[in-house]
Amino acid sequence: DTGVSQDPRHKITKRGQNVTFRCDPISEHNRLYWYRQTLGQGPEFLTYFQNEAQLEKSRLLSDRFSAERPKGSFSTLEIQRTEQGDSAMYLCASSLPTGDETYNSPLHFGNGTRLTVT
Amino acid sequence: EDQVTQSPEALRLQEGESSSLNCSYTVSGLRGLFWYRQDPGKGPEFLFTLYSAGEEKEKERLKATLTKKESFLHITAPKPEDSATYLCAGMTTDSWGKLQFGAGTQVVVTP
Repeated sequence: DTGVSQDPRHKITKRGQNVTFRCDPISEHNRLYWYRQTLGQGPEFLTYFQNEAQLEKSRLLSDRFSAERPKGSFSTLEIQRTEQGDSAMYLCASSLPTGDETYNSPLHFGNGTRLTVT
Repeated sequence: EDQVTQSPEALRLQEGESSSLNCSYTVSGLRGLFWYRQDPGKGPEFLFTLYSAGEEKEKERLKATLTKKESFLHITAPKPEDSATYLCAGMTTDSWGKLQFGAGTQVVVTP
């Protein structure tokens, strides 16, 4: 079990530039999630996939954000026209599918990509 | 509106000094209550899932309990390596993938 892998670990960009992050989930996990975390706060849900299908997207997510999981394996999160308010840790997580209504497979998180917009 | 609130925001303990962290939730249709540990610069690490009031789970010096309105994480005889931020999160019946996190409790254990 190599865990959830995220790349890059750090990204510094200038306001207005586009950035893309990659996430490789645990191999047998078919669910993949993106969260965002700012200093002193808990992670905030952005979106999640089951296989290649994007099943839910936060209402708070700007149209500048887009996520893909083209083959149901790795995922990318792109932020267009970055703003200083986008500075945060972007966390990816994965999980096994939930088998029934009474059990929730826990989310396993990667170590994140820290984005700084100058 | 669904909300998860953790207290205290920060906790400083002497090694061996037991204490409890609180997580209160106003989440309609709670499907599971999760506890995570997060070290600086790292992603959250899964600890426990609780499903129903009265349930308890233990791992080493940590024990998590759940009531109808709140959850507690008890740290018994903590060691410096227990220093971390502890996060709780709720998952609701209207979404399988969305965890609603609290802001966390930052725990520092001094020798």
